[in-house]
Amino acid sequence: QVQLQESGPGLVKPSQTLSLTCTVSGGSINSGDYYWSWIRQPPGKGLEWIGYIYYSGSMSYSPSLKSRVTISVDTSKNQFSLKLKSVTAADTAVYYCARVVAVAASHVDYWGQGILVTVSS
Amino acid sequence: QSALTQPASVSGSPGQSITISCTGTNSDVGGYKYVSWYQQHPRKAPKLMIYEVNNRPSGVPDRFSGSKSGNTASLTISGLQAEDEADYYCYSYTSSNTVIFGGGTKMTVL
Repeated sequence: QVQLQESGPGLVKPSQTLSLTCTVSGGSINSGDYYWSWIRQPPGKGLEWIGYIYYSGSMSYSPSLKSRVTISVDTSKNQFSLKLKSVTAADTAVYYCARVVAVAASHVDYWGQGILVTVSS
Repeated sequence: QSALTQPASVSGSPGQSITISCTGTNSDVGGYKYVSWYQQHPRKAPKLMIYEVNNRPSGVPDRFSGSKSGNTASLTISGLQAEDEADYYCYSYTSSNTVIFGGGTKMTVL
């Protein structure tokens, strides 16, 4: 059974960089069958796709966040990470890491439990 | 890219059927079979209910079904049960090699 677990600070100051890590267990991040994705959900609002990365390092980002986002993968640790720079209060959200079936990013089959990140001074 | 268009809310009585629509463009919903649906209960992670328009993952009741016509995909829940009350989101792959979600629909069982 694949499990994904987000970790990182729950509070980030405005203008700083939000950094989160997702640890994958029960499956290898090296699998060519999946993308590894970040998705967020502001309080009381809908889901927003942030981006995904393949084990080889190729990636795709949301056009609206592309200038501020970096997703990276560490196959030796079976982890992938998110960095979002220059955050504002609008970046306050539950951040989910997820596994995406890599047939044209067909669908998300596994989700982490989510981590609430609040942007506040 | 704007979110796919879903109704803000739908409702139905136990045992009835409801349908949630998800409207996009030729560059996403209308252009690919990669449309999926997710159920989200309060304070929980989303759960995959339908993938590739009309496929159910193992363990999802056959009361849930999906379809697509042109640029609009639909999720139908038949024989509504109290446990089906949740938020539902559609998702589509796009021609830009990105992904887009719907705005979400709050489904209430009366």
